[in-house]
Amino acid sequence: LAKTTQPISMDSYEGQEVNITCSHNNIATNDYITWYQQFPSQGPRFIIQGYKTKVTNEVASLFIPADRKSSTLSLPRVSLSDTAVYYCLVEDKLSFGAGTTVTVRA
Amino acid sequence: DSGVTQTPKHLITATGQRVTLRCSPRSGDLSVYWYQQSLDQGLQFLIQYYNGEERAKGNILERFSAQQFPDLHSELNLSSLELGDSALYFCASSPTPGQAYEQYFGPGTRLTVT
Repeated sequence: LAKTTQPISMDSYEGQEVNITCSHNNIATNDYITWYQQFPSQGPRFIIQGYKTKVTNEVASLFIPADRKSSTLSLPRVSLSDTAVYYCLVEDKLSFGAGTTVTVRA
Repeated sequence: DSGVTQTPKHLITATGQRVTLRCSPRSGDLSVYWYQQSLDQGLQFLIQYYNGEERAKGNILERFSAQQFPDLHSELNLSSLELGDSALYFCASSPTPGQAYEQYFGPGTRLTVT
């Protein structure tokens, strides 16, 4: 099973860009990389998904290098409401792990 | 609102008891997942169903069982409950089991075992 490694926590300020890198050295050829956001006592919410290169939507960007052994979620101009836990997921049913707690300060 | 519903929202019960958690997937979604989230822990995958059939098992205890019915709703049965079973239980659904499809999570059921 592919395993992911993310930083436990990150701090930022309003208006800054936040980049969270996830390592997945054993990613399989047909694996997608998916990021979810979770607020306390709520179910996770899909943010973005990609297979290679760069994907961008209205919320975030996902950068995936050619070897696909890592990926970086980029949150542009964060606000206080972006304070949450962010999970990097490879495969559709792997345990989410501890994720990265992002704290945005005023 | 993800379109996934879970009942009940809260459940308080005693050790040794048995409870049933219910999940209705988004309209059209055939795959259902169950997850457990204990205090300060990440989401642990328990089990997955696709169109009524069990598709994958994760860290599900033998005291726990689940099923998906013909109308595609799913139930998670927890028996011989222990204090350590206290957690948030999430259900998620997706159109198919494939990982190219995002999972839509319900609001969760908070189980407290006393």
